[in-house]
Order: sequence, then structure tokens, then C-alpha cells
Amino acid sequence: DVKVTQSSRYLVKRTGEKVFLECVQDMDHENMFWYRQDPGLGLRLIYFSYDVKMKEKGDIPEGYSVSREKKERFSLILESASTNQTSMYLCASSLGGSSYNEQFFGPGTRLTVL
Amino acid sequence: AQSVAQPEDQVNVAEGNPLTVKCTYSVSGNPYLFWYVQYPNRGLQFLLKYITGDNLVKGSYGFEAEFNKSQTSFHLKKPSALVSDSALYFCAVRRPSGGSYIPTFGRGTSLIVHP
Repeated sequence: DVKVTQSSRYLVKRTGEKVFLECVQDMDHENMFWYRQDPGLGLRLIYFSYDVKMKEKGDIPEGYSVSREKKERFSLILESASTNQTSMYLCASSLGGSSYNEQFFGPGTRLTVL
Repeated sequence: AQSVAQPEDQVNVAEGNPLTVKCTYSVSGNPYLFWYVQYPNRGLQFLLKYITGDNLVKGSYGFEAEFNKSQTSFHLKKPSALVSDSALYFCAVRRPSGGSYIPTFGRGTSLIVHP
């Protein structure tokens, strides 16, 4: 059974803290994605990666960075957390090489920044 | 610019009745269209996709979607709704970006099926 796992389901952090969200997939997928989900706004793409050490900005990259040192792992970093980064964060992966491959999603991390 | 619109925030339907969740898109070139479902406190699950060929696409859990090029629509349908279909539904279109293709999602439609 294919799987995308995220390091935490719930996370509470304080303003100014550095936050790491980890995502691991076991499907040998080339593409990995980080989204945030907010009510009424749907899913917004933060960053994506199409290969190890490769990354591209999505629609809302400000305040975030990413790291992909291994194919199966994609990390999202909040350098200095702020209250407006309180959200649900979803990681996804997909096969590369084609634009019509569906994504597989992790269960999400609900982050609260106090 | 590529975009996806889900014009209804919420759809209510009685169990056993047919359901439709609407999606329209704007994309240059051939569209690759997707539907995903999100159950409470879960990640998204893939339902179905349109790549090319038959305009009626069948997917998981008895769902199907009809691609209509002239109306730029990709509505999700099911002949007979179940209470367990109650969830958040997202339409998505893949768009090219820097040599790769990334999805753009609609804002989601909450489907509520009443017993």
C-alpha cells in the first residue's frame, strides 16, 4: 500500500520559533509538494520539488523554505514562525515525467503558532 | 493563466438522489483534470482524472465526471448519493511550470448528503 507520511499530526509552536515539517514517501516518486490548506482558500502550493536538491517556488513561498536531500524525503521549514502561518499543511508526491500523474497526499499537519 | 473554479461552496443532497459537484477551468492547451476527495481530518484522496479520449471518466466509489470542452467544465457526478459521500471535494488542473507540471486546485466544495 502506497504511503505518504508526515512527521506530526498536530504541532503547537511559539512565534519566532524555527519549525520543521517532515514528509516521507515510499513510492519512489520524483515529484513532491507542500501545500497549505485554509478554509475558503482551498489548497495553495508553497513549494515543490521534481528531483533531489531541486525545488521551485509555488504560489505562496514567502516565509518558507524547503529541503530535499533524499528522494523520499521533503522538508518544509518555517524560519521564524508567525501567527499567520497557523494552518493545515499537506504534503504530496507524484510520479515524474508526465503532467497527468495523480498526487498522493499525506494526512496533514495542523500547525498552530501562538 | 490557468485556473479552476468551483462555484459552489456547499452542495446538499438527499441520500439516494443523484449528485453533481461543479468545476470549470481555464487552461491553455490540453487540460489534464483531476478530482480529489478529503474526508474529515484526512489528506486528499485521488478520485479520477481526465487525460484524453472518452469524455465520461469513471473513478473510485461510483463517482464519474464529464469533460465538456465547449463549456470548459469537468463536473463530478454520482447517480445515487450515500451519507458516507459527505466530504470536501477538490477539482484540479495541471499546469506547466519551469519544465514541470504542477496542479492548481479549486477552493473546494463541501458535499453534505442527508439521510
